[in-house]
Amino acid sequence: GENVEQHPSTLSVQEGDSAVIKCTYSDSASNYFPWYKQELGKRPQLIIDIRSNVGEKKDQRIAVTLNKTAKHFSLHITETQPEDSAVYFCAASKKGGYGGATNKLIFGTGTLLAVQP
Amino acid sequence: DAGVIQSPRHEVTEMGQEVTLRCKPISGHDYLFWYRQTMMRGLELLIYFNNNVPIDDSGMPEDRFSAKMPNASFSTLKIQPSEPRDSAVYFCASSGDSTEAFFGQGTRLTVV
Repeated sequence: GENVEQHPSTLSVQEGDSAVIKCTYSDSASNYFPWYKQELGKRPQLIIDIRSNVGEKKDQRIAVTLNKTAKHFSLHITETQPEDSAVYFCAASKKGGYGGATNKLIFGTGTLLAVQP
Repeated sequence: DAGVIQSPRHEVTEMGQEVTLRCKPISGHDYLFWYRQTMMRGLELLIYFNNNVPIDDSGMPEDRFSAKMPNASFSTLKIQPSEPRDSAVYFCASSGDSTEAFFGQGTRLTVV
């Protein structure tokens, strides 16, 4: 089955710097890669996602890149702010209405991002 | 829609007791997931359903854990008997075929 690895487990950056979190997945059939942000004591919430037909996606200060050949994807946060401090999870899934789709959503182990003012 | 609704928000129980966690998915979503979150193991997928049918329960840790989805708007996760190592936050999430997964607020379970 799918296995998702995530690095680093903790990341500390200065406010205004960039942060990069990396994930690898094992199932080459996975086609949907969301990123979730979880603030302390709250539920995980989607911040950005990417599908396998796209190599990069950007939304303001956050971007995600996908390398299907190497089976890895990354989250980039630029101009970090203290409110970006949280745990970030990557995930992988085979999504959609095709025969091999399972929609089973497997998460990485999380990255605790601390943005120092 | 009010989102995914879980109850109770907090549960404290004694070892050996039965615990039932409840989830109401978003209307129209046909996938429902149960996750367990701990510091050591992160977000573990326990079981997921498609159209009320259990698809993959390989993440259920032991026979003490069971889950049901009797209809499209309700699911339960039961632990019987509970043990201290079951203490964790349990999340329910739902999604559609082509939509993101939305999480409930979670149930914080403490077994003493």
